Amino acid sequence: DAKTTQPTSMDCAEGRAANLPCNHSTISGNEYVYWYRQIHSQGPQYIIHGLKNNETNEMASLIITEDRKSSTLILPHATLRDTAVYYCIVTRAFWGAGGTSYGKLTFGQGTILTVHP
Amino acid sequence: GAVVSQHPSWVICKSGTSVKIECRSLDFQATTMFWYRQFPKQSLMLMATSNEGSKATYEQGVEKDKFLINHASLTLSTLTVTSAHPEDSSFYICSARDGTGRKGTEAFFGQGTRLTVV
Repeated sequence: DAKTTQPTSMDCAEGRAANLPCNHSTISGNEYVYWYRQIHSQGPQYIIHGLKNNETNEMASLIITEDRKSSTLILPHATLRDTAVYYCIVTRAFWGAGGTSYGKLTFGQGTILTVHP
Repeated sequence: GAVVSQHPSWVICKSGTSVKIECRSLDFQATTMFWYRQFPKQSLMLMATSNEGSKATYEQGVEKDKFLINHASLTLSTLTVTSAHPEDSSFYICSARDGTGRKGTEAFFGQGTRLTVV
């Protein structure tokens, strides 16, 4: 699976948009970009994922560059509860006759996002 | 999203004893489950991949005889830490993905188990 590079930490003011970048320059055609976050002492929480199109859900938006070598997770209106470690992960997912197959989810160091009042 | 339940949430055991941690997918069939370990202020480290009905695949450096994984059904995987020692104290987390794809391709994580070996 392709490796990812994220900034170690970021700050954001409450109510403002938080834009978290991720580089994945060695991503291959069948690899998706997943974002998870981990609030202290809890299991990671799924946020969003995408292949090549931009995606939006109730939590966030994911912007993937046209060459797929980088992406940005956007939390449109950050709150104090969004303070967490955010992980960008690239891994395979594909469907075959035997069902859905997945690559491993390998976590890097992630970005510590601190939302302050 | 789907629900993955991990039990217990925390456990304290004596050095030399074994501890079993359960991971259940409550509303989907998990043909594959993953076990992670996380030390304080570090990222999650993948220990092994558990496939239903077959032997687990361990990551390099993880002792398979010490960390026994059983995935006997499509909704349950267990991790047994055998002959636990204080250095095994850590936060253990499982995750599961829906083998049918109906719950999407994302992984769902348990709430984690805090193991303290004294």
